Amino acid sequence: DTEVTQTPKHLVMGMTNKKSLKCEQHMGHRAMYWYKQKAKKPPELMFVYSYEKLSINESVPSRFSPECPNSSLLNLHLHALQPEDSALYLCASSPPRTRANTGELFFGEGSRLTVL
Amino acid sequence: AQTVTQSQPEMSVQEAETVTLSCTYDTSENNYYLFWYKQPPSRQMILVIRQEAYKQQNATENRFSVNFQKAAKSFSLKISDSQLGDTAMYFCAFSDFNKFYFGSGTKLNVKP
Repeated sequence: DTEVTQTPKHLVMGMTNKKSLKCEQHMGHRAMYWYKQKAKKPPELMFVYSYEKLSINESVPSRFSPECPNSSLLNLHLHALQPEDSALYLCASSPPRTRANTGELFFGEGSRLTVL
Repeated sequence: AQTVTQSQPEMSVQEAETVTLSCTYDTSENNYYLFWYKQPPSRQMILVIRQEAYKQQNATENRFSVNFQKAAKSFSLKISDSQLGDTAMYFCAFSDFNKFYFGSGTKLNVKP
């Protein structure tokens, strides 16, 4: 299994809603990432989890709350979002770097979020 | 801070021809990794090719090859025998530890 699975694929929410994005991988990767991508722009790093612990938070507003319940799952909880938060949210995972492994990112298909 | 620059926002190439996408980066690190990712329209981002900085030999994956110039901090991607399925955004990426830095992307259009 070499997939990163994200659900839902599309999400429309109001500014007062609470929703969650989910990400799952079964490749044994111990680093998992959330990226935000606007149209025709590169992915912007939001959070990195390493061995289920939050290791990087790129000064993301608190209306985005990540959670890593176990080594295979990554959630992004959304609350009181703004219309400018509308974007494609990408989850990725990566294996540890070794002599035989460059530790590249494996991306999911993304969750396209629209905030009304 | 690490930066990655892709100076070509958009490029076009005829089917079956060769095209080169440019990427430069800035870092003070000696050990790092470089990648090219492809993102077709409304589709998943996938790895095209990777290069370890300590390896002098340029990486090759079928029709895709890189020209890695460490001293010049340059990492260009050459696509040979371009195919319609190569139409996509291409992102150059640099990684040191567990952080990845992406360039702004080059939109490649392969024309029939």
